[in-house]
Amino acid sequence: GAGVSQSPSNKVTEKGKDVELRCDPISGHTALYWYRQSLGQGLEFLIYFQGNSAPDKSGLPSDRFSAERTGGSVSTLTIQRTQQEDSAVYLCASSLGLGDRISYEQYFGPGTRLTVT
Amino acid sequence: AQRVTQPEKLLSVFKGAPVELKCNYSYSGSPELFWYVQYSRQRLQLLLRHISRESIKGFTADLNKGETSFHLKKPFAQEEDSAMYYCAQKPYSGTYKYIFGTGTRLKVLA
Repeated sequence: GAGVSQSPSNKVTEKGKDVELRCDPISGHTALYWYRQSLGQGLEFLIYFQGNSAPDKSGLPSDRFSAERTGGSVSTLTIQRTQQEDSAVYLCASSLGLGDRISYEQYFGPGTRLTVT
Repeated sequence: AQRVTQPEKLLSVFKGAPVELKCNYSYSGSPELFWYVQYSRQRLQLLLRHISRESIKGFTADLNKGETSFHLKKPFAQEEDSAMYYCAQKPYSGTYKYIFGTGTRLKVLA
C-alpha cells in the first residue's frame, strides 16, 4: 500500500507570500504529525492531530503557521507571510490510532523542502 | 525545557568495529525513548524503542534512568549501517509531542 505522501516535494517562494503544504497519511491512520527540520537541526515538533482535532499546537512557531485536517485524512500546513527563517524541510508522519491512544510508530513522508527567497 | 541531546554530529568507524551513538534526555519522569534511522534517499523510519528491548539489525539500546541516557550500540558495524540516526522521546503519557535530537550521521568505512 501507499505510504505517507507529501506535496509539493519542493517549493520555492518569495518572502511575504503564503504557502500551503499537503500531507496524505496512510489510509486508516488517525494520528498525523507535522515536523520541521531546519539545516543542522533535529526534527522540531509543530503539531499533531488525532482525527480532525489538534490537541497540541504548542510547537507552531508563530501565528503565521496554521494547520488543519479534514475528514480524518488529508492535512494542510499553511504558512502565511513567509520569512527566510521558514526555509526548512517540513515532514509529515502518521500513526495508527488505538482507541483513544496512538500507536508509537510513526510513518514518515518524504518531506517538502521549502525555500523562501 | 525537555531536550534530547545527541552530542556527535558525525561518527566514523571502520567496518567490523563496535559503534555507540550517544543520546541523553532531560526528562526525569518515565519517558518512552526511540531511535529512528534515515538511510540515504529513504524516509525516516523507526529502528527501535526501549520498551520492546529487542535487537534490530544488530542494534540495541538500553535505557539508563540514572544517567538519563539511551545510547544505541552495535558490536560490529556494517557498511549498510551508514545513515542518519535520531534519538527521540515521548515525554509522558497523555501527550504525543515527540522530541527529537539533532541526529548523528554514522559513516562506516570499508
